[in-house]
Amino acid sequence: DGGITQSPKYLFRKEGQNVTLSCEQNLNHDAMYWYRQDPGQGLRLIYYSQIVNDFQKGDIAEGYSVSREKKESFPLTVTSAQKNPTAFYLCASSISSRGYTFGSGTRLTVV
Amino acid sequence: QKEVEQDPGPLSVPEGAIVSLNCTYSNSAFQYFMWYRQYSRKGPELLMYTYSSGNKEDGRFTAQVDKSSKYISLFIRDSQPSDSATYLCAMSGSNDYKLSFGAGTTVTVRA
Repeated sequence: DGGITQSPKYLFRKEGQNVTLSCEQNLNHDAMYWYRQDPGQGLRLIYYSQIVNDFQKGDIAEGYSVSREKKESFPLTVTSAQKNPTAFYLCASSISSRGYTFGSGTRLTVV
Repeated sequence: QKEVEQDPGPLSVPEGAIVSLNCTYSNSAFQYFMWYRQYSRKGPELLMYTYSSGNKEDGRFTAQVDKSSKYISLFIRDSQPSDSATYLCAMSGSNDYKLSFGAGTTVTVRA
């Protein structure tokens, strides 16, 4: 079955540590996205990529980094520069303006 | 002012009631309009998709778009406890893969 796989489902980060969230899709979609979801704030765009080896900052890119070396993969690194990383992170992909397919999310908690 | 404003809720309705969800937007370039349903701790799933103005019906769900008023709605008839979720409106322009999301409305259908 085609879809998007995010891992891990739960992730704990210590202060000052970098962590990487995985996102893999087998939908053959060109575009991929990372969103952060906080209670009452909806979805906020972190980074997006429309083709391999190219990506753009979204509205809240500070403290995050991404790579797009393969069409299927778009990992997100939450760096130590992100001061408030506790949130629910969602990866999505799309082939057109006809909407996204989302993964099941990664819940990141700072301990 | 946010590009997309969504009635904040939360909404609590008895089983069998009609649920009405609304969003307004400011960008006249938006052409594609979507509603996503998100269950707790899950990724959003595409529920309804419409292009430009008009109505679209799918089972118990009806999506309405009024571009002249920059207003979209989702109606759920004969609501069921399984409809309890957060509903997100989303929209994009004709040449833009990126979606702009509302903050979401949490709906609880009481048995």
